[in-house]
Amino acid sequence: AQRVTQPEKLLSVFKGAPVELKCNYSYSGSPELFWYVQYSRQRLQLLLRHISRESIKGFTADLNKGETSFHLKKPFAQEEDSAMYYCALSGGGSGNTGKLIFGQGTTLQVKP
Amino acid sequence: GAGVSQSPSNKVTEKGKDVELRCDPISGHTALYWYRQSLGQGLEFLIYFQGNSAPDKSGLPSDRFSAERTGGSVSTLTIQRTQQEDSAVYLCASTLRSRETQYFGPGTRLLVL
Repeated sequence: AQRVTQPEKLLSVFKGAPVELKCNYSYSGSPELFWYVQYSRQRLQLLLRHISRESIKGFTADLNKGETSFHLKKPFAQEEDSAMYYCALSGGGSGNTGKLIFGQGTTLQVKP
Repeated sequence: GAGVSQSPSNKVTEKGKDVELRCDPISGHTALYWYRQSLGQGLEFLIYFQGNSAPDKSGLPSDRFSAERTGGSVSTLTIQRTQQEDSAVYLCASTLRSRETQYFGPGTRLLVL
């Protein structure tokens, strides 16, 4: 079964502390993995995707196929990073529609 | 340019009534997705449209739910005989082509009393 698991509903850190939002997935095949973010009173938006291998707003995520994980990391959290973060999966392959399977989401709270 | 828009932004209805939710995708985007965001279930895929191809309806929770996309642009999600468990935020997203970055609308918050 295709599944995305985010074990933490809430992660609270102080400004300047490192952040790691955990994401594990279950998928038979080669999925594409994403992190989406929803800031307060804003719409859901893409933060990063594993195939881009880029750093956005200081966040990075590495796909670990052995551990089936795609954890989101930032070395120094900022207050403006406070938001809801969703890990999502899309099936790979030419027949894939791109529909996303989301985790339950983790609320990141960065305290001053 | 304009992003994905959805209307209404909020809808309160009585159990048993039908509702229609509208999505206007970004101009030129060929793929359109509907998702539902609810407290108990998180974000769930509902339905996908791509051009003139048959839609992927695999995420629709029951036959009370249906959707159409007219002229390859605007989409309407219809829920018949609404139930309290249908209360959720319904999100629409569009992409230039399937599997590319999805741009989400602001959502329609549906409350069934």
